[in-house]
Amino acid sequence: GEDVEQSLFLSVREGDSSVINCTYTDSSSTYLYWYKQEPGAGLQLLTYIFSNMDMKQDQRLTVLLNKKDKHLSLRIADTQTGDSAIYFCAERSVAGGTSYGKLTFGQGTILTVHP
Amino acid sequence: SQTIHQWPATLVQPVGSPLSLECTVEGTSNPNLYWYRQAAGRGLQLLFYSIGIDQISSEVPQNLSASRPQDRQFILSSKKLLLSDSGFYLCAWSTDSPYEQYFGPGTRLTVT
Repeated sequence: GEDVEQSLFLSVREGDSSVINCTYTDSSSTYLYWYKQEPGAGLQLLTYIFSNMDMKQDQRLTVLLNKKDKHLSLRIADTQTGDSAIYFCAERSVAGGTSYGKLTFGQGTILTVHP
Repeated sequence: SQTIHQWPATLVQPVGSPLSLECTVEGTSNPNLYWYRQAAGRGLQLLFYSIGIDQISSEVPQNLSASRPQDRQFILSSKKLLLSDSGFYLCAWSTDSPYEQYFGPGTRLTVT
């Protein structure tokens, strides 16, 4: 079945780059997503990448996908204290013939940004 | 633009009492709808999803149920709450491809 794994914690200094890593097991994944969750709030979609792409950049965010190794990363440039949150990666696979867009989420990485 | 609402924002209920959480979506038609629970850890557990009115699928057998009486309304219910039902409940909607899901603000449920 599908499985998505992330490191649990990341601590960086303000102004540095943050790199959050994620691995997934389902080779039939079509889309991969990054979400941000601030305390007490819902999840906010940051970006997504189609599985036939290697990289996607959106302002301070860069997503890298290594499909061979089933590895996804999110790089945040010039990390700010406001970036402190939990970051989830998720995959959408077609395993089992699902057609409604079921996503499998990782456990989330807590990013702490120190001044 | 599309928006998703959940209420109530917080709820404290005794064990054995009923539950009704509501989710509504505006600005889109025929969305796929989802209920998740996020326990004290961090992982998201998919509880129910719906691809249309009165079309509900359950991912995890439990004492919760879901209904979709209208296209953009999704309700999570229980007849008798358990202590283990405590958690943060999130509703989400998605389009078809690329299937990204958009989440509501969540309901914090504490069962005492």
